[in-house]
Amino acid sequence: QVRLQQWGAGLLKPSETLSLTCTVFGGSFSGYYWGWIRQPPGKGLEWIGEINHSGATNYNPSLKSRVTISVDMSKNQVSLKLSSVTAADTAMYYCASSRGYSSSWYYRFNNWGQGSLVTVSS
Amino acid sequence: DIQMTQSPPSLSASIGDRVTITCQASQDITNHLNWYQQKPGKAPKLLIYDASNLETGVPSRFSGSGSGTHFTFIISSLQPEDIATYYCQQYDNIVPYTFGQGTKLDIK
Repeated sequence: QVRLQQWGAGLLKPSETLSLTCTVFGGSFSGYYWGWIRQPPGKGLEWIGEINHSGATNYNPSLKSRVTISVDMSKNQVSLKLSSVTAADTAMYYCASSRGYSSSWYYRFNNWGQGSLVTVSS
Repeated sequence: DIQMTQSPPSLSASIGDRVTITCQASQDITNHLNWYQQKPGKAPKLLIYDASNLETGVPSRFSGSGSGTHFTFIISSLQPEDIATYYCQQYDNIVPYTFGQGTKLDIK
């Protein structure tokens, strides 16, 4: 059974860099892609990007210039950095498994972290 | 990007009612669609994958159907614990994965 636990700074000033980390417990870390999704207060879900165990990444083109997702296999951790934040980046940020492999790839967000609220305010 | 349009945006129903939510994709996504339930203050939870498959442990009153551009999510008999916001999500084009805007369901 896969469990995701995430943490990071919750209050940032404009122009600072958001930094969050997600640790994966249980399951096969290398058998999944690990992604980040955000949700502004009262709004819908936006996919940010994903990474696999070997560091292959995909990013949402709308955020690509500011996003870096990295992996540390030795710790079963995935990290998100978002640079030059503004108030528009205020949101709940979730880590989640975005795809998995079992004889073939399957695509679904079926394991989620608890969420990290990030507020950007001067 | 593939746009996902859900309707209605909000919905009030009575306990025991049949509830239907639709999701329309801006292009053909075959059956590459998932449905999620999100309760206030919680992470989304996967209910249906590949348009019509029930995730393990999810009650059978939830179902999904459709292919191409038009998809339907049904709760056959609404229960109090089903009050939540529901989202569809496509994975036909994974850069980016996209979600519908959500359907907020409450009790009439």
